[in-house]
Amino acid sequence: GQQVMQIPQYQHVQEGEDFTTYCNSSTTLSNIQWYKQRPGGHPVFLIQLVKSGEVKKQKRLTFQFGEAKKNSSLHITATQTTDVGTYFCAVYSGGGADGLTFGKGTHLIIQP
Amino acid sequence: NAGVTQTPKFQVLKTGQSMTLQCAQDMNHNSMYWYRQDPGMGLRLIYYSASEGTTDKGEVPNGYNVSRLNKREFSLRLESAAPSQTSVYFCASRLTAFIDNQPQHFGDGTRLSIL
Repeated sequence: GQQVMQIPQYQHVQEGEDFTTYCNSSTTLSNIQWYKQRPGGHPVFLIQLVKSGEVKKQKRLTFQFGEAKKNSSLHITATQTTDVGTYFCAVYSGGGADGLTFGKGTHLIIQP
Repeated sequence: NAGVTQTPKFQVLKTGQSMTLQCAQDMNHNSMYWYRQDPGMGLRLIYYSASEGTTDKGEVPNGYNVSRLNKREFSLRLESAAPSQTSVYFCASRLTAFIDNQPQHFGDGTRLSIL
């Protein structure tokens, strides 16, 4: 099945600074999903990217899918305390199996 | 609309005990999933059920069994709990399996400790 590597594992920022997390695969992905998990909570779907070079925005969040569809990024502009949590990229397993394969996540820690 | 409901929310077991984690969804979804989440490991798929009447192994199935009781309910059973199974367990569902462009909806999780 497909696998994804996510970096960094932790990111400390001052409130108001920007944040970026990256997701990389050695194989071409059909699409990629992003989820956010608040501390003590459950993963919540943010967005899906399908097209090569796709860029999607949700308020202060910008999601990109690489031209070769092997990498993706999530960028948050001017972080706020409400952005605290862990951000995961995820892809469907493929190879005849179902279910998501998650990156290990990036923990965003914001210092006021 | 409750979405995905998991019970219990917390549980402590002794090594060797058995227990069943319950999951129910009210979104009329066909596919259901069980994941475990360990620190630094992300979420890993244990078992899934693509449709009522079918179940399949995921990445880490050893030590677990599942039952798709009906379209709404998908349970996870630990027959003889081991400390390595201490984890947070999430149930998820989505409308249809094997179609990539669908998100999964997660329950609140069961925090399980095995002593």
